[in-house]
Amino acid sequence: TQLLEQSPQFLSIQEGENLTVYCNSSSVFSSLQWYRQEPGEGPVLLVTVVTGGEVKKLKRLTFQFGDARKDSSLHITAAQPGDTGLYLCAGVDQAGTALIFGKGTTLSVSS
Amino acid sequence: DTEVTQTPKHLVMGMTNKKSLKCEQHMGHRAMYWYKQKAKKPPELMFVYSYEKLSINESVPSRFSPECPNSSLLNLHLHALQPEDSALYLCASSLDLGRSDEQYFGPGTRLTVT
Repeated sequence: TQLLEQSPQFLSIQEGENLTVYCNSSSVFSSLQWYRQEPGEGPVLLVTVVTGGEVKKLKRLTFQFGDARKDSSLHITAAQPGDTGLYLCAGVDQAGTALIFGKGTTLSVSS
Repeated sequence: DTEVTQTPKHLVMGMTNKKSLKCEQHMGHRAMYWYKQKAKKPPELMFVYSYEKLSINESVPSRFSPECPNSSLLNLHLHALQPEDSALYLCASSLDLGRSDEQYFGPGTRLTVT
């Protein structure tokens, strides 16, 4: 069974701090996705990482895919209250037909 | 247009009611999904439609009945639900099943069963 372990589960920080969220698996994934979800809304796709070792940047967010394509990280620099939300990593299952989600990281950034 | 719309936004229903959730996309996507999500938890896959045919049913109770009338629409018919079925129901779509790695989600329907 493919699993995605995401940590930490909860994170509460002050505005301006940096943080990193981890997504780990014992299985190889062809790609991993990161979603952000605000309360009462659906998840919004932030990025897809495909190549082992790949690094993608989206403003203050940096996404990395592990060399072996089994893990990924999301680093936020100088967090802002608008970054508050549920961050989900996801990958396609071995059948290639459904997304497997990590348990999510609930981030709260206070000013 | 990269939007998936869902109606209604909120729904309160009794355990004996019958109601339907609707989902629509006009991106030409041929795969559509229903998920159930509890608070601060990840979405759980319920059903997958591919080219208007049911492709995956994740052992969902029969009180949930999906329907895909055409390639743009996806319905979820609800009947005799239980209070534990209260959750956010999310619809998503992707270009096709082979591109399930890039799913676009709707805003969800917040369902409360009383």
